[in-house]
Amino acid sequence: DAGVTQSPTHLIKTRGQQVTLRCSPKSGHDTVSWYQQALGQGPQFIFQYYEEEERQRGNFPDRFSGHQFPNYSSELNVNALLLGDSALYLCASSRTSGEQFFGPGTRLTVL
Amino acid sequence: ELKVEQNPLFLSMQEGKNYTIYCNYSTTSDRLYWYRQDPGKSLESLFVLLSNGAVKQEGRLMASLDTKARLSTLHITAAVHDLSATYFCAVDKDDTDKLIFGTGTRLQVFP
Repeated sequence: DAGVTQSPTHLIKTRGQQVTLRCSPKSGHDTVSWYQQALGQGPQFIFQYYEEEERQRGNFPDRFSGHQFPNYSSELNVNALLLGDSALYLCASSRTSGEQFFGPGTRLTVL
Repeated sequence: ELKVEQNPLFLSMQEGKNYTIYCNYSTTSDRLYWYRQDPGKSLESLFVLLSNGAVKQEGRLMASLDTKARLSTLHITAAVHDLSATYFCAVDKDDTDKLIFGTGTRLQVFP
């Protein structure tokens, strides 16, 4: 079992650009959640996908959007990047209402 | 709004000593998680506490949950250098898999 995987591991973008991050859940998991972790802070919940629908969302602007595919993998898209979007983006997968397992993260740097 | 607070934020302790990290949260929840994070790395699950009075132990770490007091503790026994990391508690809001993380406690164990 490969566990939760994310790609890419690192990414450098400039302000105003758009970025797509990818996540493959652990085998048997149907729920994917995304978190943003700024340097020196705890992770902040962005949103969660289940059955290809956004089930709940945190306090993030509409620039942050996502998608879940039939194979349960997920993408996080961020438009019009700001310097403040620089962070570690973590994907977590779970069975419904089960323990979440985190992927290795994608480090996004916005210049 | 659910808030999760940890203290201390930073803990420097000598090898062999004992200490406790506290996690307080502001609304009712029966599911609490403890994670460890090494610098630049993702979150490693340590404990899942699912009911009032739950106590779990793994090696030199022991976690407990008091849902009535809205308090969880992570106790470190006879600290060793390998325990140096940042520790986060996280509360599952309304059992919906939306984790609200604490501020984190950065632990440094020195000889």
